[in-house]
Amino acid sequence: GESVGLHLPTLSVQEGDNSIINCAYSNSASDYFIWYKQESGKGPQFIIDIRSNMDKRQGQRVTVLLNKTVKHLSLQIAATQPGDSAVYFCAEGGSGYSTLTFGKGTMLLVSP
Amino acid sequence: ETGVTQSPTHLIKTRGQQVTLRCSSQSGHNTVSWYQQALGQGPQFIFQYYREEENGRGNFPPRFSGLQFPNYSSELNVNALELDDSALYLCASSLARGHYGYTFGSGTRLTVV
Repeated sequence: GESVGLHLPTLSVQEGDNSIINCAYSNSASDYFIWYKQESGKGPQFIIDIRSNMDKRQGQRVTVLLNKTVKHLSLQIAATQPGDSAVYFCAEGGSGYSTLTFGKGTMLLVSP
Repeated sequence: ETGVTQSPTHLIKTRGQQVTLRCSSQSGHNTVSWYQQALGQGPQFIFQYYREEENGRGNFPPRFSGLQFPNYSSELNVNALELDDSALYLCASSLARGHYGYTFGSGTRLTVV
């Protein structure tokens, strides 16, 4: 499938490492944030979300941290696996109509 | 439960032509949103349809238009194609207006030459 990762920031890790992907969001009025994973040739796939009244949320192997003071979001992936290799996007919502504003994305490459 | 289906998967058009892209929403979802994703970029919101009416629009010119049908499927139409319209067009459906639980399709790759 076509690459979605052309010219994106890249994070390279070894299998089993923990990965941290960062995102700066733009709108201080945003009240909902989502991390998506996009593999080559596929649409974005939901990973985890967080509302602005929280600063941390955990899922299976993933944790999202939200720092509203500096408008920063991070995604932590524990024990990264080769299947985690993809482009990761943060998205913010809350400006109306349930529309999302996506960040530029980070490519995660996991070596066995 | 079926997901979001988009057709065609790939398309090549000539500058100035018109194109129609199609999307079948996930079962039970009545809201459809369209996004444009240029190579190496995040998706950008084009517009959203809820119960056959446009429910919000991003910063795209009027030559981008859409429709939603009674079965909640949707079309994206682009007139007077420009080279910069080359992108992956993503359709996402959600349970209701105001609901962020999107299911994305795999997209239509449009190339304008």
